[in-house]
This record gives sequence, C-alpha cells and structure tokens, in this order.
Amino acid sequence: QKEVEQNSGPLSVPEGAIASLNCTYSDRGSQSFFWYRQYSGKSPELIMFIYSNGDKEDGRFTAQLNKASQYVSLLIRDSQPSDSATYLCAVLSSYDKVIFGPGTSLSVIP
Amino acid sequence: GAVVSQHPSWVICKSGTSVKIECRSLDFQATTMFWYRQFPKQSLMLMATSNEGSKATYEQGVEKDKFLINHASLTLSTLTVTSAHPEDSSFYICSASPVAGTENTEAFFGQGTRLTVV
Repeated sequence: QKEVEQNSGPLSVPEGAIASLNCTYSDRGSQSFFWYRQYSGKSPELIMFIYSNGDKEDGRFTAQLNKASQYVSLLIRDSQPSDSATYLCAVLSSYDKVIFGPGTSLSVIP
Repeated sequence: GAVVSQHPSWVICKSGTSVKIECRSLDFQATTMFWYRQFPKQSLMLMATSNEGSKATYEQGVEKDKFLINHASLTLSTLTVTSAHPEDSSFYICSASPVAGTENTEAFFGQGTRLTVV
C-alpha cells in the first residue's frame, strides 16, 4: 500500500463547476496535511494546509479532513481554467517527513 | 510567507561530471531541509532529509555516494550529483520548514532545478 494515494485522473470539470479531489493516507499518526498545486515544469505551490478534523475554507477552496477514515479532500468551487494543474496531496508523517501523493491532473473546460 | 531559493534553475552537464545545487532559506532558519526528485508526469519522490550539522538521511534506493548532501548552516543545503548520467536528468526540488515537527508545519519549496545530462 502506498503511503499517500489520490484519485486517479485526469479530472475534467466545466468552468464554474465544483472540482473534488480526494486523498487517503496510511500513517495513522500523521498530523498535518497539505494541498499543493503544480503547473507543468514549475515547483509546487501551497494552496492549503489542515490539521484538525472538519472543514477549512479559504476563498474558493475547502479542505476537509477525517482522521478516523484517514482521508483528506480538496474542493474547488467555481472552477476556473486557471485552476487547471496537477494537485498534490502531501502528508507530514509521524516520522517528520513530507510524503506526496501521485497527484491528480485537473482540467477545467471553458 | 517564507522564501526558499534554489539555484541554478536549470543546468546542462556532460555525462560523468558533477553538478551542485544550492537551496537557501532566505528569511528563516531551517534545521531540516528535504530534497525531492520529480520525473516527468510523476509525483515528487523524497530523496533525502538534510539535517544541519549532521549526516543526511537517505531514502531507500537513493545512493548516498552519488547524491552528496551538505547542510553546513541553518540556511543552506547543497545537493551534489556526482558522476552524472543521462538517467539522472530530472527536476530536483528542495523544501524547508521554519520549525520541524510542529503541528502546523508548512513546507516551502525552492523553484526547482531542471538537470539535463547529455
């Protein structure tokens, strides 16, 4: 089992729709969870981090964490073509390493 | 937010030569820095954890004698790819955290270095 898994892509949504990105992790002792956006050929940029169960909202982005289910998600409301990128889920594991998921490619269709 | 600077952004080298990549935390001290490698259309793979003042911790399958890491100060870590081969061509990214092990630690990334070995 991989340490961090994400729903396979590519994911296509029409402009204005909600994009839902999912991530599961295996290390139950993990405490912090991150969502990064990466454009082709560029370094990842942090969108949100979350460490408490529940929802965390920031503008059009909502991160959801359920530690019991070892599940974290990212919702993007009112998706824009500029949101088209690869989204990486990352987990700060119980042994102090940031482990990345394989990424989900999102395409927002105008 | 915190800034991590990585240099160079891209480098082309001949097979058999060595290349050094620098990672600097510009406005915070980082006792720990991480080095990742990303092949095309793949996710970031952790190569090693760089600890200031001590030896780096390498992930399984990463050759420590080939990828030399030096973390001589709280703001600088270097990765040297020795005797580079074409299969080492990749995107190398460093990251650093202001404080390690805290609940809401953020990892800040350098710009990445595109290495091409010809």
